[in-house]
Amino acid sequence: NAGVTQTPKFQVLKTGQSMTLQCAQDMNHEYMSWYRQDPGMGLRLIHYSVGAGITDQGEVPNGYNVSRSTTEDFPLRLLSAAPSQTSVYFCASSYSRDNKNIQYFGAGTRLSVL
Amino acid sequence: RKEVEQDPGPFNVPEGATVAFNCTYSNSASQSFFWYRQDCRKEPKLLMSVYSSGNEDGRFTAQLNRASQYISLLIRDSKLSDSATYLCVVERGGSYIPTFGRGTSLIVHP
Repeated sequence: NAGVTQTPKFQVLKTGQSMTLQCAQDMNHEYMSWYRQDPGMGLRLIHYSVGAGITDQGEVPNGYNVSRSTTEDFPLRLLSAAPSQTSVYFCASSYSRDNKNIQYFGAGTRLSVL
Repeated sequence: RKEVEQDPGPFNVPEGATVAFNCTYSNSASQSFFWYRQDCRKEPKLLMSVYSSGNEDGRFTAQLNRASQYISLLIRDSKLSDSATYLCVVERGGSYIPTFGRGTSLIVHP
C-alpha cells in the first residue's frame, strides 16, 4: 500500500529557481494539504484542497501555488525560490470519520534554497 | 496567545516511568482533538484521537478537559521506542483546517 507518495525526497535550489513538489495518494481521500515544518515552528499549513478542482490558502501561502486536477494528485509549485523557503515539506491526505479528519502524511521533501 | 500550545520539553524519563503531557488550545469552538507521533526526520503519524469521555489504547491514555481547554496524553511503562515528538492537533468544528502544536519531545533512557 503506497499511501501518500512525495517526490523528490531531497532538493537543492538556487534563489529564483522554480520547481514543483509532487504528491500523490492512492486512498481516494477527498482532502489533501501541504505543510512546511521548520525548527521550533511546528507544522504550518500552506494550501489545502477539499476535492478535485477546489483549493484554498492556509496559514503561509505566499510564494506557493497549488492545483488539484485529479483526486490523486496535489502538486506544490514554488514560483521563485527564496532562502526563507528552506524547510521540510509534508503532503497529507485525509478522510473524515465520526466528524474527525484523520491525516496521512507523505515521507517529506527536504528543500534547501541557496 | 498561540492557538495550540505545548511544552517543547524535552521530557527525559527512565524506562518504565509514567509521563504525561498537556496541550492547551485557545479556540473554544474546537471540536476534534488528536495526538500524533513524529519520529526524528520522519513524517507525523496518528497516535490516537481524543474523545470527550477520555480514551485508552494500551499504555496510552488521552483526556479532554473542555472547561479548561486542554488535552492530555499519559504514557505508562515507558519504552525506549516511545522516544519521539508528540504533536497535539486541534480542529475547529465545521472546518477542515487542523492546527498543530509545536510538539513535545520525549526521550526515554535505559
